[in-house]
Amino acid sequence: SQQGEEDPQALSIQEGENATMNCSYKTSINNLQWYRQNSGRGLVHLILIRSNEREKHSGRLRVTLDTSKKSSSLLITASRAADTASYFCAMDPTDSWGKFQFGAGTQVVVTP
Amino acid sequence: EAGVAQSPRYKIIEKRQSVAFWCNPISGHATLYWYQQILGQGPKLLIQFQNNGVVDDSQLPKDRFSAERLKGVDSTLKIQPAKLEDSAVYLCASTLQGISNSPLHFGNGTRLTVT
Repeated sequence: SQQGEEDPQALSIQEGENATMNCSYKTSINNLQWYRQNSGRGLVHLILIRSNEREKHSGRLRVTLDTSKKSSSLLITASRAADTASYFCAMDPTDSWGKFQFGAGTQVVVTP
Repeated sequence: EAGVAQSPRYKIIEKRQSVAFWCNPISGHATLYWYQQILGQGPKLLIQFQNNGVVDDSQLPKDRFSAERLKGVDSTLKIQPAKLEDSAVYLCASTLQGISNSPLHFGNGTRLTVT
C-alpha cells in the first residue's frame, strides 16, 4: 500500500505559471524526497528535505515540510513544457531506515 | 558516473511463464532496491538488499517472486509463474550504504506485459 498521498492527482497549467503539489504521510520520517518521472523513464531525484528543516530551495523548486501535520509541498515556479512529468514524494521512515515509501504521484502537464 | 543499468527494457510473456530482470547498480552503492510500478501508481517496494543480504522483503510475493544479489553487486529479480496482474514496470534503484539522507538513483526500468 502507498504510504503517502499526493494531491492533486493531476495538474494542467500553462508555461510560466506555478505548479503546487502536496504530499501527506502517516509515519515519522528521517527525510522526505521528491522525484520526477518522465514517461517511460525511471525516477530522477529532485530535492531532499530533512525532518528538522522547514523549507528548501533548488533552482525553480521550493519544498516545504510540516512534520506536525505530516505534510510537504513542492512548488515549481515559472513552469516550462519540459516540466511535464509525474512527481512523487518518498518518505524515509525513522523506524525502518532506507525503506523508502512512495506516494501515488501528481501528473503535471505544462502546455506552451 | 554511470547510472543504474537494467535489462531488458521490455518483455512480453504469457501467463504462467517465467521471466527474469537484471540490474547493475552504481559502483560503490551497497544498497539496492527493486520496486514494482503499476500504471498510474507510485513505485511499491518489493525488496531491499544491503550488499548481498536481504534487509526487507516483506512485500515480495514469495510464492512467485524471488531475488538475489550474489557478490553484493548485480541483482536479478525473477517471477515464476507470472500472472496477469504482474504487468508493471520493474524499477531497480541504488543508494550509498550508511549515508543517511542520500537519494535513490533509479534505472529506466523493465516494462513487463503478461498476456
